[in-house]
Amino acid sequence: GAGVSQSPRYKVAKRGQDVALRCDPISGHVSLFWYQQALGQGPEFLTYFQNEAQLDKSGLPSDRFFAERPEGSVSTLKIQRTQQEDSAVYLCASSLEGRGKPYEQYFGPGTRLTVT
Amino acid sequence: SQQGEEDPQALSIQEGENATMNCSYKTSINNLQWYRQNSGRGLVHLILIRSNEREKHSGRLRVTLDTSKKSSSLLITASRAADTASYFCATSRLTGGGNKLTFGTGTQLKVEL
Repeated sequence: GAGVSQSPRYKVAKRGQDVALRCDPISGHVSLFWYQQALGQGPEFLTYFQNEAQLDKSGLPSDRFFAERPEGSVSTLKIQRTQQEDSAVYLCASSLEGRGKPYEQYFGPGTRLTVT
Repeated sequence: SQQGEEDPQALSIQEGENATMNCSYKTSINNLQWYRQNSGRGLVHLILIRSNEREKHSGRLRVTLDTSKKSSSLLITASRAADTASYFCATSRLTGGGNKLTFGTGTQLKVEL
C-alpha cells in the first residue's frame, strides 16, 4: 500500500520567501508528526497532530513556522520569511496510535529545503 | 535538542562481520526504537523495545536496553552491504502531545564487500 508521501522533494527558496511543504499520511493514521533534520544530525521534533488537533507545537523554532491539518489527513508545514538556518530536511511521519500507545511511526522521504 | 548520543559516530566493517552500535539517553522513557536511514530515503523503523524489556530480537537484529544506565545497543549480525546506512535510536515519553520521538545523533555504518 501507499506510504507517507511528501512534496515537493526538493525546494530552493531565496531568503525571505515563504514556503509550504505538504505531507500525505497513510490513510487512516490518526497521528501525524513533523520533524526537522539538519545535515549530519538526527531528526528533531517540530509538531504533532492527532486528527485535526495540533496537540504539541513545542518544537517549532519560531513563530515563522506554522503547521495545519484542517481535515485530519493532509498536513502542511509553512515557513514564512525563510532564513538560511531553516535549510534542512523536513520529515513527516504518521502512525495509528492514539494517546498512550507507542505504535511505530512511518516516515515519508522528506523535503530537502535549501535557503539561499 | 537531541536526547542523547550514539557511539560510534561512524563504523566500517567487512561483510559478514557483526556491527554493534550504542545509544545513551538522558531522561526516563516509555520505549526506545531503532531506525535506519539510507542516503536519500526516509527513516525505516527496525525494532521497538519497551522500558520494561531488557532484550529483543528481530531477524539479524538484537537490541538490549539498560534503563539503569540509560543506554541501549543494537547488534546487527552477519552484516551485508545492504546494511550500509545511518542508524538512529529514538526514545519516547508519553506526554499530552502523544508519542513524539527524540532521536540520537546517529551512527553511520559502512559494510564493505
